[in-house]
Amino acid sequence: DSGVTQTPKHLITATGQRVTLRCSPRSGDLSVYWYQQSLDQGLQFLIQYYNGEERAKGNILERFSAQQFPDLHSELNLSSLELGDSALYFCASSATSGRFPGELFFGEGSRLTVL
Amino acid sequence: AQSVTQLGSHVSVSEGALVLLRCNYSSSVPPYLFWYVQYPNQGLQLLLKYTSAATLVKGINGFEAEFKKSETSFHLTKPSAHMSDAAEYFCAVSTNFGNEKLTFGTGTRLTIIP
Repeated sequence: DSGVTQTPKHLITATGQRVTLRCSPRSGDLSVYWYQQSLDQGLQFLIQYYNGEERAKGNILERFSAQQFPDLHSELNLSSLELGDSALYFCASSATSGRFPGELFFGEGSRLTVL
Repeated sequence: AQSVTQLGSHVSVSEGALVLLRCNYSSSVPPYLFWYVQYPNQGLQLLLKYTSAATLVKGINGFEAEFKKSETSFHLTKPSAHMSDAAEYFCAVSTNFGNEKLTFGTGTRLTIIP
């Protein structure tokens, strides 16, 4: 158990719809990362938040948005869903202490299926 | 920008045989390199990391990797494969100290033959 909690674990929805994925980081971790894993694209970095502020942006579509709340949990919002958005979405957290670069703790993922 | 290339999307080894998973990196600055493992229906778990200290890094479950700057490589090895090692393995690179954004390779699925 990594200590990172993601909900829901599975989600099936239709094209054009909007969904929200939720992530609770490990206790004390200030950074939250979102990754998308699909068969054709592999693991793609989407976005990072640190203590409520956007820190880095990757290959995140304009239809997607995220935020980190004062209690440090994060939500990834996916709108106008397309078939190609079907993927496993991972949240990861880190302490960002600087002493342990790159040690991310991953949740078990939210599997999104768009029909 | 940094990147990693994993050679071989699928590797099969017999139980008890040597495991060798290949990773080459590209980075304009000294890199931090990592191996993560993903078991079926689970998230990724850190296996080991190189952060410019010792070039031979030991990780969990008997795995180790050696950083070779001259070859820009960070291959993962284990002397004797176990059935429980069957998983997908990802090499990753980071270069921003204090910013743990990782760039992952495409992954190598390891199958263990009984």
